[in-house]
Amino acid sequence: SQTIHQWPATLVQPVGSPLSLECTVEGTSNPNLYWYRQAAGRGLQLLFYSVGIGQISSEVPQNLSASRPQDRQFILSSKKLLLSDSGFYLCAWTQGAEAFFGQGTRLTVV
Amino acid sequence: KQEVTQIPAALSVPEGENLVLNCSFTDSAIYNLQWFRQDPGKGLTSLLLIQSSQREQTSGRLNASLDKSSGRSTLYIAASQPGDSATYLCAVKRGSTLGRLYFGRGTQLTVWP
Repeated sequence: SQTIHQWPATLVQPVGSPLSLECTVEGTSNPNLYWYRQAAGRGLQLLFYSVGIGQISSEVPQNLSASRPQDRQFILSSKKLLLSDSGFYLCAWTQGAEAFFGQGTRLTVV
Repeated sequence: KQEVTQIPAALSVPEGENLVLNCSFTDSAIYNLQWFRQDPGKGLTSLLLIQSSQREQTSGRLNASLDKSSGRSTLYIAASQPGDSATYLCAVKRGSTLGRLYFGRGTQLTVWP
């Protein structure tokens, strides 16, 4: 069966520090991969999506970036975090109709 | 742009009640609609998926309906239990290839014993 792994589960980082969040999917090939952010009191915001290795589309201009170095690996990065980057980050995948989400990373920028 | 609205934002009911959560969307050209459950601090768990050609889907005590022409979906929970307490999110999918989801802000459900 397919599973999705996200880590770390929680992260506290100072302003200006770099960020790397990783997501991997098992049990499937060539999935569509997504990064969402859920801020307090707001809905889920799509940040990036990828339909294949090296193919990244950005939905919202920001200081975050994403990369897909392998078919089932999706990485969210930042060179310098801002306070406004705090939130709950969720990785998701689809292959066809249904979407599946990871357990999320709670990022607090201090 | 697709906008998804969920009403009510919060709901508190005693155990055993049947309840309905509402979801509306502005663009009826959807591929499918998915209902999720989110427990505090956790990721999203898929509950039900309704394709655009379908009218409803059922799983256990859950039943979701879809009226694409009017831009509405409802999630019906029968005989609610305290374990049903969570935030329920609906999302509509535009297109089949990229599968971008548009989410509502959710309904926070509390079922008290």
